[in-house]
Amino acid sequence: GNSVTQMEGPVTLSEEAFLTINCTYTATGYPSLFWYVQYPGEGLQLLLKATKADDKGSNKGFEATYRKETTSFHLEKGSVQVSDSAVYFCALSGSTGFQKLVFGTGTRLLVSP
Amino acid sequence: DGGITQSPKYLFRKEGQNVTLSCEQNLNHDAMYWYRQDPGQGLRLIYYSQIVNDFQKGDIAEGYSVSREKKESFPLTVTSAQKNPTAFYLCASSPDKPRGLLRQSGQYFGPGTRLTVT
Repeated sequence: GNSVTQMEGPVTLSEEAFLTINCTYTATGYPSLFWYVQYPGEGLQLLLKATKADDKGSNKGFEATYRKETTSFHLEKGSVQVSDSAVYFCALSGSTGFQKLVFGTGTRLLVSP
Repeated sequence: DGGITQSPKYLFRKEGQNVTLSCEQNLNHDAMYWYRQDPGQGLRLIYYSQIVNDFQKGDIAEGYSVSREKKESFPLTVTSAQKNPTAFYLCASSPDKPRGLLRQSGQYFGPGTRLTVT
């Protein structure tokens, strides 16, 4: 079945550092890929998405590129801020049938001033 | 503004009682979902509904029930049969249609309800 694997957290960075959160997936066909962000005590917000190979999703300075050859969708940001501290979830939806999202376990990001 | 509302934000119940969590959306989305989140874990799908008057079990449906009588509403009942009900519950919706059309849209989440059962 489909699955998503994320790097273990927490990821601890200083403000303005470069961020990478790794995400790899297992799926048949061509799934759609998503990054969601969850701030403390809140629901999830869609951060960015990519629906086909080599697509780059971007939003609020975050980027991720759909790499079919490495089955990866790593999240990056060039300069993190304290306000980026949150839990980040990678997810996929299958390429056939009704969309059911499969989530990774989440990666907590802590950014210090 | 369009969005998804869940109420209440915090809910406390005694063991053995059923409890119903509310989820309402005004996004005109066909599909709705319920997830459970436990500390340090990802989201697990409880139930989902592609269209009014239809719903399917997700990965952890035991001890839960749902209804979908209106497009806007998808309440979740946590029954006394659920062995470990204390968790953070998230409702979501998406504009996806039955038969997999518009399947790449992503899901939109409510703010969640934290249920504590003692």
